[in-house]
Amino acid sequence: GNSVTQMEGPVTLSEEAFLTINCTYTATGYPSLFWYVQYPGEGLQLLLKATKADDKGSNKGFEATYRKETTSFHLEKGSVQVSDSAVYFCALSETSGTYKYIFGTGTRLKVLA
Amino acid sequence: EAGVVQSPRYKIIEKKQPVAFWCNPISGHNTLYWYRQNLGQGPELLIRYENEEAVDDSQLPKDRFSAERLKGVDSTLKIQPAELGDSAVYLCASSLVLTDTQYFGPGTRLTVL
Repeated sequence: GNSVTQMEGPVTLSEEAFLTINCTYTATGYPSLFWYVQYPGEGLQLLLKATKADDKGSNKGFEATYRKETTSFHLEKGSVQVSDSAVYFCALSETSGTYKYIFGTGTRLKVLA
Repeated sequence: EAGVVQSPRYKIIEKKQPVAFWCNPISGHNTLYWYRQNLGQGPELLIRYENEEAVDDSQLPKDRFSAERLKGVDSTLKIQPAELGDSAVYLCASSLVLTDTQYFGPGTRLTVL
């Protein structure tokens, strides 16, 4: 079946450091891919998405590129801030017409001042 | 535009008691999802509605869980009786029909003692 694998956290960085959170997936067809962010005590917020190979999603300085050849969708940011501390979830939307999401387990990011 | 609204935000109950969660999706969103998020995990789909119809309830534990979406707008998820293992965050999400981007509410954190 379809699945999403994320790097385990927590990831701890100093402010202004470069961020990479790895995400790989297994799926039939060509699913849409998403990154969601969850701040403490809140629900999931859509951060960015990509719907086809080589698409780059971007938002708030975060970027991720849909790589079909490596089945990956790694999240990057050039300079993190303390306010970026949160849990980040990678997800795919199944292509069977159900639009069912499969989530990774989440990666906690802690940014220190 | 208002986002997905959920209530209550927190609920603490004794095991074997009933509990209900309410969700109001984004206006115009025909598709509604209920997810369960266990601690340290990604959300897992419980049920998906297209208007009033539950089109995917394969992962809903039907012996104790029930859901309804009367009139195709608000939805209620019920657990009766609750068990210790039901402690989790219950998330509601909505989307436009036949689109793959879901918008999440803040969730209800359930603690079963």
